[in-house]
Amino acid sequence: EDKVVQSPLSLVVHEGDTVTLNCSYEVTNFRSLLWYKQEKKAPTFLFMLTSSGIEKKSGRLSSILDKKELFSILNITATQTGDSAVYLCAVEALRDQGAQKLVFGQGTRLTINP
Amino acid sequence: EAQVTQNPRYLITVTGKKLTVTCSQNMNHEYMSWYRQDPGLGLRQIYYSMNVEVTDKGDVPEGYKVSRKEKRNFPLILESPSPNQTSLYFCASSWTFDQPQHFGDGTRLSIL
Repeated sequence: EDKVVQSPLSLVVHEGDTVTLNCSYEVTNFRSLLWYKQEKKAPTFLFMLTSSGIEKKSGRLSSILDKKELFSILNITATQTGDSAVYLCAVEALRDQGAQKLVFGQGTRLTINP
Repeated sequence: EAQVTQNPRYLITVTGKKLTVTCSQNMNHEYMSWYRQDPGLGLRQIYYSMNVEVTDKGDVPEGYKVSRKEKRNFPLILESPSPNQTSLYFCASSWTFDQPQHFGDGTRLSIL
């Protein structure tokens, strides 16, 4: 059974700290790994990773994938209160009939205190 | 503005009373999908549609129906809702199935 596990499930830090969120996976027919940020409403797309070892960056956020060890990390430096959200990791895999499926982890709830 | 629009945003109803949650996207996306989000379980796919008139079951399709008569709309139908379908539902779309999906703002359903 395909599985995506995120850790920690919850994290509370002070503004300015650096955080690392973890995502490990076991899926067949891996295609890509995606990170989403979910505040009060819709998940919004952050990164899509397909190749090992290539860091993707967007401002203070960065992410990297290790396809050999089957995990990814999401780093946030100099955190701000606006970074408070649930961060979702999802792995794209292929169903038997060739269509895509997204397998989501449980999410990490990040709280940034001023 | 590019968006995925779901209606209603909130609904409280009773067991057995048929309901439909609408989903519409204005990005001309081929691929659309429905998810439910439950505490501790993450998002799970209910149904998806690769393009018009093509739909297929996701991981938790029991008790749901969908249709894709036109590209922009992908309604989710609960013919006889039950309390275990109380959840937060998201509709999503993308150009193709292997592109990042855009999510709607969610529909919170409570079935009493």
